[in-house]
Amino acid sequence: AQRVTQPEKLLSVFKGAPVELKCNYSYSGSPELFWYVQYSRQRLQLLLRHISRESIKGFTADLNKGETSFHLKKPFAQEEDSAMYYCAPLIQGAQKLVFGQGTRLTINP
Amino acid sequence: DAGVTQSPTHLIKTRGQQVTLRCSPKSGHDTVSWYQQALGQGPQFIFQYYEEEERQRGNFPDRFSGHQFPNYSSELNVNALLLGDSALYLCASSSKTSGETQYFGPGTRLLVL
Repeated sequence: AQRVTQPEKLLSVFKGAPVELKCNYSYSGSPELFWYVQYSRQRLQLLLRHISRESIKGFTADLNKGETSFHLKKPFAQEEDSAMYYCAPLIQGAQKLVFGQGTRLTINP
Repeated sequence: DAGVTQSPTHLIKTRGQQVTLRCSPKSGHDTVSWYQQALGQGPQFIFQYYEEEERQRGNFPDRFSGHQFPNYSSELNVNALLLGDSALYLCASSSKTSGETQYFGPGTRLLVL
């Protein structure tokens, strides 16, 4: 069964500190991987997609197929990064996203 | 482009009733997926519509049904509502030209009393 684990439900770091949000997935194929973000009172929006290899708002994510991980990183956190973050592989063929339970990131001033 | 739109924004129903939620996809998108997000959880896939047919379905009972119209808009219907159906219902649209990236609407919050 496809499963996504985001081990930290809550994560709190100080402004300017590095941040890493963990994501591990179990899936037998080669999924396309996404990170979505939900800021307060806003809709769920795409943060980044691993195949595009873009850096959005300073965030990057590296796919480690051996560890089946797709951790999200940012070297210097900013207060506006406070939000709910979801890791979600897209199951090929089924074309459905499988979401983790999310990590609520709080950046302290 | 207003992006993905959903209506209504909020809805209150009682157990046993039926509800219809609506979604208009982003301009140029032809595929609509529906997700249920319970409080404190990540979204869960309900089903996906493409070319007016249900293409994929998640682990949801037959009480959940849908429809896609020729203009690609979609409806989600839930019959015989249960208290546990209370959730935020999200619609996402995509297309081959978007690389199948799914773009989400603001959701409809359903409360079943």
